[in-house]
Amino acid sequence: EADIYQTPRYLVIGTGKKITLECSQTMGHDKMYWYQQDPGMELHLIHYSYGVNSTEKGDLSSESTVSRIRTEHFPLTLESARPSHTSQYLCASSGTGPEETQYFGPGTRLLVL
Amino acid sequence: ILNVEQSPQSLHVQEGDSTNFTCSFPSSNFYALHWYRWETAKSPEALFVMTLNGDEKKKGRISATLNTKEGYSYLYIKGSQPEDSATYLCAFKDPNSGYSTLTFGKGTMLLVSP
Repeated sequence: EADIYQTPRYLVIGTGKKITLECSQTMGHDKMYWYQQDPGMELHLIHYSYGVNSTEKGDLSSESTVSRIRTEHFPLTLESARPSHTSQYLCASSGTGPEETQYFGPGTRLLVL
Repeated sequence: ILNVEQSPQSLHVQEGDSTNFTCSFPSSNFYALHWYRWETAKSPEALFVMTLNGDEKKKGRISATLNTKEGYSYLYIKGSQPEDSATYLCAFKDPNSGYSTLTFGKGTMLLVSP
């Protein structure tokens, strides 16, 4: 059973608000990822991390930022939410190696009004 | 940006039917291909990781094959059941990130009617 958690599961918020989406894993994985998915579209990688104090941008440009101060925690922040940020955000983690699978959290559905 | 294509986009079958989907990916710089199953309101769940050309993997009624030379993988479900209803995603290990990340296809949405 994968132990990766995301909060909140659903968030409705007004334009201009600062939001932080939380992601935590208890598997001791070094690698963590954030994906964004719009309906009918692929999961797009927006951020990833190799470990503590490491963050990289994914293939989809995003106005969000991330931090990795602790191995188990990889929060994503939007300083000023806009309707264009409305989407589903999934967090994942993995170990290393060619056959390491990614374990996904349940996702956060964000609606910005 | 890598192109990972999945077909069909969606599929509706009757219980007991066997079905298969296709994932196409760049054949150069192959490292690994992942298959995931994503049920509604749940997290994506790993099915298979495939690394060798000609590889075939099986989990219960679900199996997958890999052809790295021509850049495709097939996922087969034998005797589909309603609980197989889900979106099936394939993902390619991206050489541009040092094979650290996955590039996903849009998925095949399977609906199995009783």
